[in-house]
Amino acid sequence: DAGITQSPRHKVTETGTPVTLRCHQTENHRYMYWYRQDPGHGLRLIHYSYGVKDTDKGEVSDGYSVSRSKTEDFLLTLESATSSQTSVYFCAISESARGDEKLFFGSGTQLSVL
Amino acid sequence: GENVEQHPSTLSVQEGDSAVIKCTYSDSASNYFPWYKQELGKRPQLIIDIRSNVGEKKDQRIAVTLNKTAKHFSLHITETQPEDSAVYFCAASKGGGTYKYIFGTGTRLKVLA
Repeated sequence: DAGITQSPRHKVTETGTPVTLRCHQTENHRYMYWYRQDPGHGLRLIHYSYGVKDTDKGEVSDGYSVSRSKTEDFLLTLESATSSQTSVYFCAISESARGDEKLFFGSGTQLSVL
Repeated sequence: GENVEQHPSTLSVQEGDSAVIKCTYSDSASNYFPWYKQELGKRPQLIIDIRSNVGEKKDQRIAVTLNKTAKHFSLHITETQPEDSAVYFCAASKGGGTYKYIFGTGTRLKVLA
């Protein structure tokens, strides 16, 4: 498995509180992604990064922000968590420089917003 | 916008039979089509992929076919085994600096012993 670590693995929080999820990679891959997985919706892209301090929105970015200050770390922040953000969050990485577009996922974070 | 439709949402087959899952994509610029397998409580894992310059690719009991004209691609699993039971996701990507993958909604495959 690719060296991707997500933390925490599980989190329960209350509506209105800020939450930060962390993704750490040891592969030195350029691209990093945050997806959320919900029943009936599959995997939906929240934000992605194509380099340090270079990020862009995905299809469900409202209510989320990201930061990437180092190649190895990609943070996802819920500024004020809502119940609709209860989901499983997956970080993923890929490296395009070699022409290799394979996407590798972390183990996921189960987030419950009460 | 970009969209990937996946069918069926659930599929039950007898052990030893074949399973076929189909996906249709909307963006004709898509050129990379991976398939992921996700076991219960685990991460999605890449099982096979195909690029737009190839019509078919096989890896043991798994194969993927691509029809660019119709904009659809399919996953074929032969001689299914209980360990093939999982959720399978297709995806499409345009690559070329826009590495945004659009995923299908998943197919839950159950292989009955």
